[in-house]
Amino acid sequence: EAQVTQNPRYLITVTGKKLTVTCSQNMNHEYMSWYRQDPGLGLRQIYYSMNVEVTDKGDVPEGYKVSRKEKRNFPLILESPSPNQTSLYFCASSLSGGFGTGMGIYGYTFGSGTRLTVV
Amino acid sequence: QQQVKQSPQSLIVQKGGISIINCAYENTAFDYFPWYQQFPGKGPALLIAIRPDVSEKKEGRFTISFNKSAKQFSLHIMDSQPGDSATYFCAASPNNAGNMLTFGGGTRLMVKP
Repeated sequence: EAQVTQNPRYLITVTGKKLTVTCSQNMNHEYMSWYRQDPGLGLRQIYYSMNVEVTDKGDVPEGYKVSRKEKRNFPLILESPSPNQTSLYFCASSLSGGFGTGMGIYGYTFGSGTRLTVV
Repeated sequence: QQQVKQSPQSLIVQKGGISIINCAYENTAFDYFPWYQQFPGKGPALLIAIRPDVSEKKEGRFTISFNKSAKQFSLHIMDSQPGDSATYFCAASPNNAGNMLTFGGGTRLMVKP
Protein backbone atom coordinates (compact mmCIF):
# COMPACT_ATOMS: atom_id res chain seq x y z
CA GLU A 1 0.00 0.00 0.00
CA ALA A 2 1.30 3.43 -0.98
CA GLN A 3 1.73 5.45 2.16
CA VAL A 4 3.66 7.92 4.25
CA THR A 5 4.55 6.54 7.67
CA GLN A 6 5.31 8.78 10.62
CA ASN A 7 6.49 7.73 14.04
CA PRO A 8 5.66 8.17 16.78
CA ARG A 9 1.95 9.05 16.64
CA TYR A 10 2.02 10.66 20.04
CA LEU A 11 4.94 12.11 21.98
CA ILE A 12 5.18 13.96 25.26
CA THR A 13 8.58 15.40 26.08
CA VAL A 14 10.22 17.99 28.29
CA THR A 15 11.70 21.30 27.26
CA GLY A 16 15.20 20.97 25.85
CA LYS A 17 15.26 17.21 25.29
CA LYS A 18 16.24 16.49 21.71
CA LEU A 19 13.79 14.44 19.71
CA THR A 20 13.35 13.08 16.21
CA VAL A 21 10.12 12.36 14.37
CA THR A 22 10.65 9.89 11.55
CA CYS A 23 8.95 9.95 8.16
CA SER A 24 9.18 7.34 5.44
CA GLN A 25 7.41 6.99 2.08
CA ASN A 26 7.24 3.97 -0.22
CA MET A 27 6.14 5.73 -3.42
CA ASN A 28 9.55 6.79 -4.71
CA HIS A 29 8.49 10.43 -4.43
CA GLU A 30 11.16 13.06 -4.95
CA TYR A 31 9.47 15.74 -2.88
CA MET A 32 8.90 15.56 0.86
CA SER A 33 7.75 18.17 3.32
CA TRP A 34 6.94 18.77 6.96
CA TYR A 35 3.95 20.78 8.14
CA ARG A 36 2.64 21.73 11.52
CA GLN A 37 -1.08 22.13 12.12
CA ASP A 38 -2.39 24.54 14.72
CA PRO A 39 -6.03 25.56 15.33
CA GLY A 40 -7.08 28.45 13.11
CA LEU A 41 -3.72 28.59 11.35
CA GLY A 42 -4.14 25.63 9.03
CA LEU A 43 -1.01 23.81 7.94
CA ARG A 44 2.23 25.74 7.85
CA GLN A 45 5.28 24.41 6.08
CA ILE A 46 8.38 23.86 8.21
CA TYR A 47 10.91 22.41 5.76
CA TYR A 48 10.80 20.71 2.41
CA SER A 49 13.12 18.63 0.28
CA MET A 50 13.15 18.48 -3.51
CA ASN A 51 15.34 15.38 -3.55
CA VAL A 52 18.16 13.61 -1.71
CA GLU A 53 20.52 16.09 -0.03
CA VAL A 54 18.36 19.03 -1.15
CA THR A 55 16.41 20.74 1.62
CA ASP A 56 15.07 24.23 2.17
CA LYS A 57 13.18 26.26 4.73
CA GLY A 58 9.44 26.68 4.64
CA ASP A 59 7.42 29.34 6.42
CA VAL A 60 8.19 28.36 10.04
CA PRO A 61 11.62 26.69 10.19
CA GLU A 62 12.88 28.14 13.48
CA GLY A 63 13.74 25.45 16.02
CA TYR A 64 13.65 22.58 13.53
CA LYS A 65 16.16 20.66 11.45
CA VAL A 66 15.75 18.09 8.72
CA SER A 67 17.92 15.78 6.66
CA ARG A 68 17.39 13.85 3.46
CA LYS A 69 20.09 11.21 3.15
CA GLU A 70 17.84 8.69 1.43
CA LYS A 71 14.95 9.27 -0.94
CA ARG A 72 12.40 7.50 1.23
CA ASN A 73 13.22 9.09 4.60
CA PHE A 74 12.84 12.66 5.83
CA PRO A 75 13.22 12.95 9.62
CA LEU A 76 12.27 16.08 11.55
CA ILE A 77 14.64 16.98 14.37
CA LEU A 78 13.93 19.26 17.31
CA GLU A 79 17.30 19.94 18.92
CA SER A 80 15.90 21.78 21.94
CA PRO A 81 12.10 21.59 21.98
CA SER A 82 10.12 24.37 23.57
CA PRO A 83 6.43 24.54 24.59
CA ASN A 84 5.57 26.67 21.54
CA GLN A 85 6.44 23.66 19.39
CA THR A 86 3.53 21.73 20.87
CA SER A 87 1.53 20.95 17.76
CA LEU A 88 0.29 18.32 15.34
CA TYR A 89 2.94 17.51 12.76
CA PHE A 90 2.44 16.05 9.31
CA CYS A 91 4.91 14.68 6.84
CA ALA A 92 3.91 14.68 3.18
CA SER A 93 5.35 13.54 -0.11
CA SER A 94 4.62 14.04 -3.78
CA LEU A 95 6.01 13.59 -7.24
CA SER A 96 8.25 16.43 -8.33
CA GLY A 97 7.57 18.92 -11.08
CA GLY A 98 4.69 20.71 -9.47
CA PHE A 99 1.06 19.87 -9.35
CA GLY A 100 -1.22 20.18 -12.28
CA THR A 101 1.51 20.11 -14.87
CA GLY A 102 1.14 17.80 -17.79
CA MET A 103 -1.96 15.70 -18.06
CA GLY A 104 -2.81 15.11 -14.46
CA ILE A 105 -3.37 16.87 -11.20
CA TYR A 106 -1.83 15.15 -8.28
CA GLY A 107 -1.21 16.21 -4.74
CA TYR A 108 0.46 15.49 -1.51
CA THR A 109 0.16 12.17 0.30
CA PHE A 110 0.15 12.94 4.00
CA GLY A 111 1.13 10.76 6.92
CA SER A 112 -1.30 10.23 9.81
CA GLY A 113 0.36 12.84 11.99
CA THR A 114 2.42 13.10 15.15
CA ARG A 115 0.92 14.90 18.10
CA LEU A 116 3.76 16.45 20.05
CA THR A 117 3.43 17.97 23.50
CA VAL A 118 6.38 19.80 25.03
CA VAL A 119 6.06 20.53 28.76
CA GLN B 1 -0.08 36.92 7.92
CA GLN B 2 -1.99 34.23 6.08
CA GLN B 3 -1.74 34.40 2.33
CA VAL B 4 -4.87 32.28 1.95
CA LYS B 5 -7.84 33.27 4.09
CA GLN B 6 -10.55 30.70 4.64
CA SER B 7 -14.05 31.12 6.05
CA PRO B 8 -16.00 30.11 7.99
CA GLN B 9 -13.93 28.42 10.68
CA SER B 10 -16.81 26.09 11.45
CA LEU B 11 -20.00 25.16 9.68
CA ILE B 12 -23.05 23.13 10.62
CA VAL B 13 -25.31 21.89 7.83
CA GLN B 14 -28.33 19.63 7.81
CA LYS B 15 -28.17 16.39 5.87
CA GLY B 16 -29.08 17.06 2.25
CA GLY B 17 -28.11 20.71 2.43
CA ILE B 18 -25.37 22.60 0.61
CA SER B 19 -22.09 23.30 2.38
CA ILE B 20 -20.13 26.30 1.13
CA ILE B 21 -16.58 27.17 2.17
CA ASN B 22 -14.83 30.23 0.85
CA CYS B 23 -11.20 31.17 0.34
CA ALA B 24 -9.47 34.34 -0.77
CA TYR B 25 -5.88 34.94 -1.76
CA GLU B 26 -3.62 37.88 -2.54
CA ASN B 27 -0.67 36.40 -4.41
CA THR B 28 -1.40 36.68 -8.15
CA ALA B 29 1.34 34.13 -8.81
CA PHE B 30 -0.87 31.38 -7.38
CA ASP B 31 -2.15 29.17 -10.16
CA TYR B 32 -3.12 25.90 -8.55
CA PHE B 33 -5.92 25.66 -6.00
CA PRO B 34 -6.60 22.33 -4.30
CA TRP B 35 -8.94 21.41 -1.49
CA TYR B 36 -7.98 18.86 1.13
CA GLN B 37 -10.29 16.88 3.39
CA GLN B 38 -9.16 15.73 6.83
CA PHE B 39 -10.93 13.26 9.09
CA PRO B 40 -10.10 13.08 12.81
CA GLY B 41 -6.86 11.24 13.46
CA LYS B 42 -5.88 11.25 9.79
CA GLY B 43 -3.74 13.35 7.55
CA PRO B 44 -5.34 15.61 4.95
CA ALA B 45 -6.21 14.00 1.62
CA LEU B 46 -6.59 15.69 -1.75
CA LEU B 47 -10.26 16.12 -2.56
CA ILE B 48 -10.45 18.23 -5.70
CA ALA B 49 -8.30 20.86 -7.41
CA ILE B 50 -8.62 23.58 -10.02
CA ARG B 51 -6.39 25.75 -12.15
CA PRO B 52 -7.43 29.32 -13.06
CA ASP B 53 -8.06 28.60 -16.73
CA VAL B 54 -11.52 27.30 -15.76
CA SER B 55 -14.16 28.90 -13.55
CA GLU B 56 -15.67 25.71 -12.19
CA LYS B 57 -14.77 22.09 -11.66
CA LYS B 58 -17.16 19.41 -10.51
CA GLU B 59 -16.45 15.93 -9.18
CA GLY B 60 -19.52 14.14 -7.92
CA ARG B 61 -21.11 16.21 -5.14
CA PHE B 62 -18.05 18.47 -4.83
CA THR B 63 -17.64 21.62 -6.93
CA ILE B 64 -14.94 24.27 -6.92
CA SER B 65 -15.96 27.71 -8.15
CA PHE B 66 -13.13 30.06 -9.07
CA ASN B 67 -13.25 33.84 -9.55
CA LYS B 68 -9.88 34.99 -10.83
CA SER B 69 -10.67 38.72 -10.86
CA ALA B 70 -11.85 38.63 -7.26
CA LYS B 71 -9.06 36.25 -6.24
CA GLN B 72 -11.55 33.99 -4.56
CA PHE B 73 -12.49 30.36 -4.79
CA SER B 74 -14.99 28.22 -2.98
CA LEU B 75 -15.95 24.63 -2.33
CA HIS B 76 -19.57 23.58 -2.61
CA ILE B 77 -20.72 20.24 -1.25
CA MET B 78 -24.12 19.37 -2.63
CA ASP B 79 -26.49 17.00 -0.81
CA SER B 80 -24.20 17.06 2.23
CA GLN B 81 -23.98 13.80 4.16
CA PRO B 82 -22.92 13.00 7.74
CA GLY B 83 -19.91 11.20 6.24
CA ASP B 84 -18.76 14.56 4.86
CA SER B 85 -18.17 15.79 8.41
CA ALA B 86 -14.48 16.65 8.43
CA THR B 87 -12.09 19.58 8.36
CA TYR B 88 -11.58 21.12 4.93
CA PHE B 89 -8.53 23.09 3.87
CA CYS B 90 -8.15 25.21 0.80
CA ALA B 91 -4.65 25.78 -0.52
CA ALA B 92 -2.79 27.54 -3.29
CA SER B 93 0.58 27.34 -4.97
CA PRO B 94 2.49 29.46 -7.46
CA ASN B 95 3.38 28.74 -11.08
CA ASN B 96 4.96 25.34 -11.60
CA ALA B 97 5.82 25.07 -7.92
CA GLY B 98 2.81 23.13 -6.83
CA ASN B 99 4.73 21.45 -4.09
CA MET B 100 4.91 24.76 -2.24
CA LEU B 101 1.35 24.82 -1.03
CA THR B 102 0.06 27.57 1.22
CA PHE B 103 -2.95 26.40 3.21
CA GLY B 104 -5.94 28.28 4.57
CA GLY B 105 -6.87 28.05 8.22
CA GLY B 106 -9.36 25.22 7.79
CA THR B 107 -13.12 24.79 8.18
CA ARG B 108 -14.61 22.22 10.49
CA LEU B 109 -17.81 20.94 8.86
CA MET B 110 -20.47 19.06 10.75
CA VAL B 111 -23.38 17.58 8.83
CA LYS B 112 -26.30 16.77 11.09
CA PRO B 113 -28.43 13.71 10.29
